[in-house]
This record gives sequence, C-alpha cells and structure tokens, in this order.
Amino acid sequence: KAGVTQTPRYLIKTRGQQVTLSCSPISGHRSVSWYQQTPGQGLQFLFEYFSETQRNKGNFPGRFSGRQFSNSRSEMNVSTLELGDSALYLCASSSQPNTEAFFGQGTRLTVV
Amino acid sequence: AQSVTQLGSHVSVSEGALVLLRCNYSSSVPPYLFWYVQYPNQGLQLLLKYTTGATLVKGINGFEAEFKKSETSFHLTKPSAHMSDAAEYFCAVSGRGGADGLTFGKGTHLIIQP
Repeated sequence: KAGVTQTPRYLIKTRGQQVTLSCSPISGHRSVSWYQQTPGQGLQFLFEYFSETQRNKGNFPGRFSGRQFSNSRSEMNVSTLELGDSALYLCASSSQPNTEAFFGQGTRLTVV
Repeated sequence: AQSVTQLGSHVSVSEGALVLLRCNYSSSVPPYLFWYVQYPNQGLQLLLKYTTGATLVKGINGFEAEFKKSETSFHLTKPSAHMSDAAEYFCAVSGRGGADGLTFGKGTHLIIQP
C-alpha cells in the first residue's frame, strides 16, 4: 500500500508570491490534515479535511487555505508569502478523523 | 483544549542503556495519545498509540509507553538503546470526538552515545 505522497518535496518562492502544495493520502483514507513545522514554533495544526469538507482549522491567518477533492487528494495554498512562512509542511492521512495519522515526507518551503 | 509537555529538549543515553522520554498532557476530553519519531529531512513515523483498553502500549522498534491517567502522563521507554534510535521524538494528543487535530509537544532530540 502506497504511503502519503507530498509534492513537491522542495520549493523556493519569493515574498509576495503564492504557492500550492499537494498531498495524496493513503488509498481509502478520507481524512487529510496539514501541519506546519518550524524550529521556533514546532509542529502546528493548520487544518483538517474529511470527505471534501473542512472539519476544523488551526490558528493561522486567512492566507492559508486548503481544499480536498472527491478522490481525497488535498491541496493547501498560501497567498502573499512572507519570510516567516518558510517551513516544512506536513500532510497526514487517516481513515477517520482523530485516529492514527500517517505522515508524508513533507514539502520544504523556503521564502526569500 | 489540549496541550502536551515534553520534558527535556535533548536526552543523551549510552548505547544499550534505558531510554526514557517524558510526556505529560492535558485534555478536556478523554485523550488519544501518540508517539512519533522523525529522522532528519523526513516526515513523522508513528511509533505507538493509546486509544482505549490496555494502558501499556507496545510499538515498533522495541518502544513502549504507559498511559497513566492519574499522572496525565504517557512516557516512552525502550530497555536498550541502539544507535539507530537517534532521532527527534514527538508526543501528541487528540481529543476523542474533538476537533482540534493533533497537538504536538515540542519534541525531544534523542542522542545515543557509543
């Protein structure tokens, strides 16, 4: 069974640009969550989607958004990038919300 | 609301020695508890989980953890450390039926001395 796939693995963007990250969950999993990992703040919850609906959202500005498609694949978008958005963005999939989550390798975003 | 405290940002043990990584949590609802490991430039790998039932949970790579409700703790142990155990370890909590996703501790960097 294939694991969680995140693309791309690495990204370099300029301040003010926008970026879209992609996540393909484990086959059969309908819940996808996104996390931001930085050295200063650690792992922080961004949002969770289940069956194409955003189930809950962490404490991030509206520049961070996401969506989930009917095949459970998910994308997250960050608009008007800031230097502080540089981080490892991790996607996790679960069969159901609040059950064990399986993580992808992450996308390393660098904003310059 | 939920939170996780991991005592010790760095823990150093000798190869073959006992590994003990501490985790205390708070949760307004009965928790699900998890330990994850992260190797450099990798995602998180689930080591073990507590949901219901037996409070002593065995995971992969010889790790285990015990849920102690009275102490709100979920410490991770391994009887004998191996060099390959060197990594970052994260304790996480989610509330049953809650809507806050996983809340992670700050992580503990485990160093194995030869």
